[in-house]
Amino acid sequence: NAGVTQTPKFQVLKTGQSMTLQCAQDMNHEYMSWYRQDPGMGLRLIHYSVGAGITDQGEVPNGYNVSRSTTEDFPLRLLSAAPSQTSVYFCASSYHGDQPQHFGDGTRLSIL
Amino acid sequence: QQQVKQSPQSLIVQKGGIPIINCAYENTAFDYFPWYQQFPGKGPALLIAIRPDVSEKKEGRFTISFNKSAKQFSLHIMDSQPGDSATYFCAASLGSWLTFGKGTLLTVNP
Repeated sequence: NAGVTQTPKFQVLKTGQSMTLQCAQDMNHEYMSWYRQDPGMGLRLIHYSVGAGITDQGEVPNGYNVSRSTTEDFPLRLLSAAPSQTSVYFCASSYHGDQPQHFGDGTRLSIL
Repeated sequence: QQQVKQSPQSLIVQKGGIPIINCAYENTAFDYFPWYQQFPGKGPALLIAIRPDVSEKKEGRFTISFNKSAKQFSLHIMDSQPGDSATYFCAASLGSWLTFGKGTLLTVNP
């Protein structure tokens, strides 16, 4: 039981490049979400999903896309990276929205 | 609009001290209030959580006090240890997602 697995752990991009951050969970959780963590800002919700085929926007969705084709996977896509998207990205999952969320160890993304 | 306000930003205590971290929320519809602990290079991990129908919850050395009328809740760490040095986040949930406070960096000196 690996929990929530995020890949890659580190990534450096150039402005305008695109990439996909991967998130997978093996706990059969219905709820999955993406947060970004910036110094002094706490964690802010980007997008979330309440089940396969269902996604919705969080607090800071602009510049990011998500899809949920399976229960296990919830990738986050940056279509055209901007320096303002330099951050640490965390994926989380839970049985339901108000149940304990299990976080991955994050992807540290730098955009030059 | 910051819906969950956390204080202090940083806190230094001696081993054995009782650090207290406070949070205040605005939305009375929030129905789940967890605290997360985060070590450098790791994701946040659930420490303890409370629902608004309970005024206090204790798990080991960690206690949440909840004041529904004041819309405030706090984390107390009894007999703090250097290993408790970490960043602590309070959060509040309404349905599908968590709204986090900005975090408190706790340092427990030996």
